[in-house]
Amino acid sequence: GAGVSQTPSNKVTEKGKYVELRCDPISGHTALYWYRQSLGQGPEFLIYFQGTGAADDSGLPNDRFFAVRPEGSVSTLKIQRTERGDSAVYLCASSSTGGFTEAFFGQGTRLTVV
Amino acid sequence: AQSVTQPDIHITVSEGASLELRCNYSYGATPYLFWYVQSPGQGLQLLLKYFSGDTLVQGIKGFEAEFKRSQSSFNLRKPSVHWSDAAEYFCAVAERSGGSYIPTFGRGTSLIVHP
Repeated sequence: GAGVSQTPSNKVTEKGKYVELRCDPISGHTALYWYRQSLGQGPEFLIYFQGTGAADDSGLPNDRFFAVRPEGSVSTLKIQRTERGDSAVYLCASSSTGGFTEAFFGQGTRLTVV
Repeated sequence: AQSVTQPDIHITVSEGASLELRCNYSYGATPYLFWYVQSPGQGLQLLLKYFSGDTLVQGIKGFEAEFKRSQSSFNLRKPSVHWSDAAEYFCAVAERSGGSYIPTFGRGTSLIVHP
């Protein structure tokens, strides 16, 4: 696609439920990032993929958070047993390999846990 | 570990006035430096970036930024602000870690433009 696409744009879920957030990166970009942005804060790094593998998952806050990228393109961020503190905008970005230039961001998924 | 400080949470300027948004970073070598802009309900858009070479970089929408190694700063400037520039501005730094570059963001500066 022309840009990074994230679905859904908004997600409201009940505390304790499981959610999946999807990211479709720019075609051909092998690097993919997930960030979380809370109100009034900058994006906070969660996980980075190079191809199909998670090259750095040091930003995942706990084991309720997990992400996959099985075919090296689309990625899914999975949150189990959601808590109200998980409410935030989840941003996905991708970048090309062969030399890092910049990260291109999607518009984000606003997650609200009630 | 790298870190980014944007000391101003809010900046208010009048339309047509000049603008400078401050950014300081903590990093051992010369990092890759970025400024992004985020309008309400929108994703992050890259304004400009610095990798190497000329320390004054030009970006889109009339913005520029200057890398000052001695001050560990990368301040964003614009000579004349337009009402449409009202948005959230984020400074970011990316360092090479295990062959990868992972941008770290500051907390952002909210720009308010008065008519």
